[in-house]
Amino acid sequence: KQEVTQIPAALSVPEGENLVLNCSFTDSAIYNLQWFRQDPGKGLTSLLLIQSSQREQTSGRLNASLDKSSGRSTLYIAASQPGDSATYLCAVRNYGQNFVFGPGTRLSVLP
Amino acid sequence: AAGVIQSPRHLIKEKRETATLKCYPIPRHDTVYWYQQGPGQDPQFLISFYEKMQSDKGSIPDRFSAQQFSDYHSELNMSSLELGDSALYFCASSLSFLAGGNEQYFGPGTRLTVT
Repeated sequence: KQEVTQIPAALSVPEGENLVLNCSFTDSAIYNLQWFRQDPGKGLTSLLLIQSSQREQTSGRLNASLDKSSGRSTLYIAASQPGDSATYLCAVRNYGQNFVFGPGTRLSVLP
Repeated sequence: AAGVIQSPRHLIKEKRETATLKCYPIPRHDTVYWYQQGPGQDPQFLISFYEKMQSDKGSIPDRFSAQQFSDYHSELNMSSLELGDSALYFCASSLSFLAGGNEQYFGPGTRLTVT
């Protein structure tokens, strides 16, 4: 059974810092991995999707990497802004199955 | 671009009542997934449908049932509601693996409050 963990659980940084969020999964036979952003009480906003054959994806200030062999993915946020404050969820999908979500990292970017 | 539509967006019910949540997938998407997110929890998979047939089942209580209709929209029926059913319910849609689908697109969610 796939299990997903995320470290740290919460993170508070001053504006402008570069930061890294970590996601680990137990079953490396994944189909893809997706990073989401969730604002309090709101829906899930897809940030980046990485297929199992890819090693990284980039979108603006966001870069996500995938190392299947070690069961890890990182989300790198450059030049953080207060508007980046949210919970970031990592979700892993095995072949033919649904997403398994991690518990999330709650990010606060202070002005 | 059209997104996943969920209705209602908010629902308040009393214990032991029933509730029906609806999900309208992105046009041409044939697969629908339901997730439940309790307060402070990560989303948990409930059930999925492909071409109107149940394709996978997660932690869905026996009090809940769901189906997918010929127009691919889906409904989650919840009976004998309990306080613990209060949560945000997400629907996601995708093309099937056979059709080359890989990404799930999530709706805005329905917030169910059971009092």
